[in-house]
Amino acid sequence: EVQLVQSGAEVKKPGESLKISCKGSGYSFTSYWIGWVRQMPGKGLEWMGIINPGDSHGRYSPSFQGQVTISADKSISTAYVQWSSLKASDTAMYYCVRGWYVGSGFDYWGQGTLVTVSS
Amino acid sequence: EIVLTQSPGTLSLSPGERATLSCRASQSVSSTYLAWYQQKPGQAPRLLIYGASSRVTGIPDRFSGSGSGTDFTLTISRLEPEDFAVYYCQQYGRSPPMYTFGQGTKLEIK
Repeated sequence: EVQLVQSGAEVKKPGESLKISCKGSGYSFTSYWIGWVRQMPGKGLEWMGIINPGDSHGRYSPSFQGQVTISADKSISTAYVQWSSLKASDTAMYYCVRGWYVGSGFDYWGQGTLVTVSS
Repeated sequence: EIVLTQSPGTLSLSPGERATLSCRASQSVSSTYLAWYQQKPGQAPRLLIYGASSRVTGIPDRFSGSGSGTDFTLTISRLEPEDFAVYYCQQYGRSPPMYTFGQGTKLEIK
C-alpha cells in the first residue's frame, strides 16, 4: 500500500527554523516526484515545489523560491521542506504529494502537517 | 504564469442532481496536465481526474472530466451525499515550469 506519512504538528515562534518530513512507503521512492502543497486556514491549495528524490533535482514555485528549501534523502525514502526563519504568515497545513512525472496529477497525498507560527 | 478561474464559487444542489463545475485558464493548457481534486473537510485532497478526462482507479463513473484549450469541466452526473465537498482544478505549465490550482468550487447541499 502506497503511503506518505508526514511528521507531526509544530508550534513555532517567528524567526525560528523548521524542517518537516514526509516518508514514502509501498513504492519505489526514487521513481516518483515528491511535491509540497500549502493550504492556509480556510483557503485554497498552493503548489510550493517538487523534487526528484533520485537526483534531488527540484523546482520551486516563484512564490516560494528562496522562502523554503525542499530536499530528499533517498536512503530513508523521506522528503523534507524547511524554513530558516518562520513568519506568522507561514501558518498553514502543509501536504506532501506524489507525482509520477512532472506535470502529472498528484495521486497520493500525505495526511498533512499543521504548522502554527505565533509569538 | 497561467491563472485558473473556477466557477461558480459555490454550487448548491440536491442529491440526485447533475453538477457541472467549470475551470477556465488564462491561456491554453495542455490537456495532459489538467487534473481535478476533491477535498472534504479535515481531509487531504484526493485526485479524481488527470489528463483532463481520465478517471483515477476507484473513482465512481459518475465523475467525468472534459475540455481542452482554456475551458475544462468536471461533471458529476448524479450527486451522492458524499460528493458534497470542495473541488479544485490544477494545471502544469512549462513557462515558467510550475503547477497552478484554481481557487476551488464548493459544492454544497441545497
